[in-house]
Amino acid sequence: KQEVTQIPAALSVPEGENLVLNCSFTDSAIYNLQWFRQDPGKGLTSLLLIQSSQREQTSGRLNASLDKSSGRSTLYIAASQPGDSATYLCAVTEKTSYDKVIFGPGTSLSVIP
Amino acid sequence: NAGVTQTPKFRILKIGQSMTLQCAQDMNHNYMYWYRQDPGMGLKLIYYSVGAGITDKGEVPNGYNVSRSTTEDFPLRLELAAPSQTSVYFCASSFPGALGGYQPQHFGDGTRLSIL
Repeated sequence: KQEVTQIPAALSVPEGENLVLNCSFTDSAIYNLQWFRQDPGKGLTSLLLIQSSQREQTSGRLNASLDKSSGRSTLYIAASQPGDSATYLCAVTEKTSYDKVIFGPGTSLSVIP
Repeated sequence: NAGVTQTPKFRILKIGQSMTLQCAQDMNHNYMYWYRQDPGMGLKLIYYSVGAGITDKGEVPNGYNVSRSTTEDFPLRLELAAPSQTSVYFCASSFPGALGGYQPQHFGDGTRLSIL
């Protein structure tokens, strides 16, 4: 059974720091992996999607990497800003009858001015 | 603004009551989804739909029902509410993926439901 974990559950960093969020999954037979952002009281916003054949994706200050063999993905945020404060969730897609998407519990990030 | 709209934002129900959570999208997306998010847990899929008139069960469908009479609307009904259904409910939508996959892309802001 696929399980997705994210460590740490919460992270606090000073503004300007580069930081890495971690995502681990137990079964490497995934279709793709997504990173989402969730602001308090809001829904999820899709940030990056990495197909299983890809190693990384970049969008602005965000870079996501994928290592299927080790069951790991990282989200790198460069030059963090207070506006980056949110919960970040990763999710893997398995090939089942309906392409099952399995979400991790998220990492709550606080960027301190 | 275009997007996914959920109503109500908050609701308190008594055990055994019923209610319908509303979801509407104006992006002409074929695919729509209902998830629940419990504290400290990832989202779990309740039901999904690939088009009007077509619905299927997700991972945790028990205690819920859905319908999809139009492309825009995908209501979720709770019958005989139980404390275990206390959660935050998210509706999402998407076009089919590049390889026909079902992956939520646009989320509503959620309905926070408490069953007492």
